[in-house]
Amino acid sequence: GESVGLHLPTLSVQEGDNSIINCAYSNSASDYFIWYKQESGKGPQFIIDIRSNMDKRQGQRVTVLLNKTVKHLSLQIAATQPGDSAVYFCAENKGAQKLVFGQGTRLTINP
Amino acid sequence: DTAVSQTPKYLVTQMGNDKSIKCEQNLGHDTMYWYKQDSKKFLKIMFSYNNKELIINETVPNRFSPKSPDKAHLNLHINSLELGDSAVYFCASSQQGTGGETQYFGPGTRLLVL
Repeated sequence: GESVGLHLPTLSVQEGDNSIINCAYSNSASDYFIWYKQESGKGPQFIIDIRSNMDKRQGQRVTVLLNKTVKHLSLQIAATQPGDSAVYFCAENKGAQKLVFGQGTRLTINP
Repeated sequence: DTAVSQTPKYLVTQMGNDKSIKCEQNLGHDTMYWYKQDSKKFLKIMFSYNNKELIINETVPNRFSPKSPDKAHLNLHINSLELGDSAVYFCASSQQGTGGETQYFGPGTRLLVL
């Protein structure tokens, strides 16, 4: 079916630690995945994307890993900061620019 | 300058009323979308338009009617509002290409139906 799921709805980490947010997807034919960050009262903001021909992609303090064998996607945030507190969504491109979003994980950074 | 803008930001109205939400993007994109985010933060696509042509129409009640006067604007009109329509509605845009185009979201319109 059409679903992109997350293993944990909430995640708390200490400031400065690394965080990992996981996502499972169901459509093995999907070829493009995106992570979005949504701060309170704002719209989703693009963080990083990855195509299915890649296993890993790095940005500034963020890394996305794609494991097509088990249909798993993860977002790693290094050296977390208070501004990283938000809800993070993975999204799967199912063709014709239709994105299917996961439920979201709320990340809280503790001082 | 705001890339994707929506008006109004907040909308409180009575059940049965008709209301519209407007969206504009200045990114030069050719595709625009409407999403609905419920109280549990679940984000689901409703419609998408490419160059003013309807591309995606999910299972949305026909009380919802999108209108795209030009490729920079996509408005959403809702007739006979119901309590269940209360949600945050996001507009987004992207530039169609070979696939996997990033969608950029507006700040959202918070609709509360009383």
